[in-house]
Amino acid sequence: DQQVKQNSPSLSVQEGRISILNCDYTNSMFDYFLWYKKYPAEGPTFLISISSIKDKNEDGRFTVFLNKSAKHLSLHIVPSQPGDSAVYFCAASSYSEKLVFGKGTKLTVNP
Amino acid sequence: EAQVTQNPRYLITVTGKKLTVTCSQNMNHEYMSWYRQDPGLGLRQIYYSMNVEVTDKGDVPEGYKVSRKEKRNFPLILESPSPNQTSLYFCASSYRGDYNEQFFGPGTRLTVL
Repeated sequence: DQQVKQNSPSLSVQEGRISILNCDYTNSMFDYFLWYKKYPAEGPTFLISISSIKDKNEDGRFTVFLNKSAKHLSLHIVPSQPGDSAVYFCAASSYSEKLVFGKGTKLTVNP
Repeated sequence: EAQVTQNPRYLITVTGKKLTVTCSQNMNHEYMSWYRQDPGLGLRQIYYSMNVEVTDKGDVPEGYKVSRKEKRNFPLILESPSPNQTSLYFCASSYRGDYNEQFFGPGTRLTVL
């Protein structure tokens, strides 16, 4: 049973446009959500997180939106840059429980 | 520099030959974890440790062992590797459990022939 789903294996956008990466979850106990970014030949790096008490969190060009009723979160990157090309993993957890990762979405930002 | 290190980065071995992948962190983190990444399957947790001498199974623990004798080190042991353990392995650490961001190592690409 896949508790965290990233239904788009890949996404391609033009430089300067908005990238929207989506993530759905099934476990209503999840109350903390994170996005990780992974370049080839490197480990994942933490990008941004959001607690369930919020519906939006911003950090520079990156914004995460959380819709608890729909059990859906999204990562917006504006404007997208070629250096943003990477695999993005969505992850979720509830306090003291382990992180559950999605399968990842490969983002390609074309110059 | 705060980091998680893994060794070796690349390893090719044969079925049944015991191996250990080391993991070390210099951030005084309590929580450490091992993941494997496989195409189409994302990151799956193998084992985790909440603190020294405290370890527990993740989602895919079969065929693996771990130990946590010191806070900074969390080696992954494959007593008798098999081809289905060919994968990309990541060690991660965080200050306290999964509720905090995890710092990942650079990965170990293991091939079992």
